[in-house]
Order: sequence, then C-alpha cells, then structure tokens
Amino acid sequence: GAGVSQSPSNKVTEKGKDVELRCDPISGHTALYWYRQSLGQGLEFLIYFQGNSAPDKSGLPSDRFSAERTGGSVSTLTIQRTQQEDSAVYLCASSLRGASTDTQYFGPGTRLTVL
Amino acid sequence: GDSVTQMEGPVTLSEEAFLTINCTYTATGYPSLFWYVQYPGEGLQLLLKATKADDKGSNKGFEATYRKETTSFHLEKGSVQVSDSAVYFCALENYGQNFVFGPGTRLSVLP
Repeated sequence: GAGVSQSPSNKVTEKGKDVELRCDPISGHTALYWYRQSLGQGLEFLIYFQGNSAPDKSGLPSDRFSAERTGGSVSTLTIQRTQQEDSAVYLCASSLRGASTDTQYFGPGTRLTVL
Repeated sequence: GDSVTQMEGPVTLSEEAFLTINCTYTATGYPSLFWYVQYPGEGLQLLLKATKADDKGSNKGFEATYRKETTSFHLEKGSVQVSDSAVYFCALENYGQNFVFGPGTRLSVLP
C-alpha cells in the first residue's frame, strides 16, 4: 500500500513568514512522529502523536513550532515567524501502534529553506 | 527514483557475535549515505555517515564503507552487545533531494 507522504517536498520562504508542512501517515497507523535534520546534524525528534492521547511535545525547539493531528490521521507542523536556523529537512514517520518494538516508516521529507 | 534496500530482519545474535546488516542503494549522482539507529523507546539517532566513495563512517564500534562500485553501505560491528539491540535504518540523501530511508532492520542481541 501507499507509504508515508509529505508535502510540499520543497519549501522556500522568507524570514518571518509562517509555514505549514503536511504529513499523511500510512493508513491504520496510530503513531506519528515529526523529526528534522539540519545541515550536518543528526535527526532531531520534534513531536510524537499516539492515537487520541496528548502529544509528546518535548522535542519542539521553541513556541514558534506547533503541530496538530486531525482525526488521528493527517498531521500539520506549523512554524511561525520562521528564522534562518529553521532551515532543515523535516521528516514525518508513522508506526502501527507506537510501541518501541514497532518499525517507523518514514516519508520523503520536506526541505525547508528560510531566506 | 532513488531507493534503499536493506535486510529487514529481525536479526538475532548472541552477545559478542559479528554483525553485518546489508544495505544497497540506487541513486543518480553521488548521494551521501547514513546509518540511523533507534533504541527501544527513543527517537532516531544518527549512527554514522559517509559522503563520498570509499569513505568509512564509524561510531560506537560500528563501521560502514561507501562502496560506489557495488552501490553498498553495509553496517558491521565486530562484537555486539545486548545494548546494541535496536532498529537500524540505512538512508541516502542526494544533492537537492530529500532523504530515502530503507525499511529498517531490527537487531536483537541475546546475553
């Protein structure tokens, strides 16, 4: 079946603008994760959704970042008042139940460039 | 398009055994290659990377060599420990493109 999809694949924006990144997880997967990879860095965990539970926001770098997941499926990551240090590849992943034994399936990512 | 293939596992080894997790890729140009690891209950972490042919990435006793002639980036460790039990992801990043991840290989190391 279809894998995790993300849109847009590339986004160029000006400093100070807001951006929205979208993730469509694999159908039936209850867990959804957002990560980002900045140039030369490893993957950085941002936020985790599991079913209807309150999300784990412990990885969000500032209050300019927020995410929601509507209907337990599609998720949107919003970055307000973007800064140049927000430039990175933003990756979304989903897993069946969110258990530590589950495999996370990754989308292709959204490359965000803040000018 | 670009793709990454790796053995899906699960792989079960005894402590101190030799580990190889195969990874091959298909890509145009000269991608960067990565191994990521996810320990139980944690997010992904970069384990090692190589950015050009014949480069060897190494970290925590793990090694992988970028082999352009065989389009491979196999992960090896000479003596695994129980604490190495995790899921390992091979990935590539092509210039101007986004990441392509393999499906992940679950490794269980038994004491």
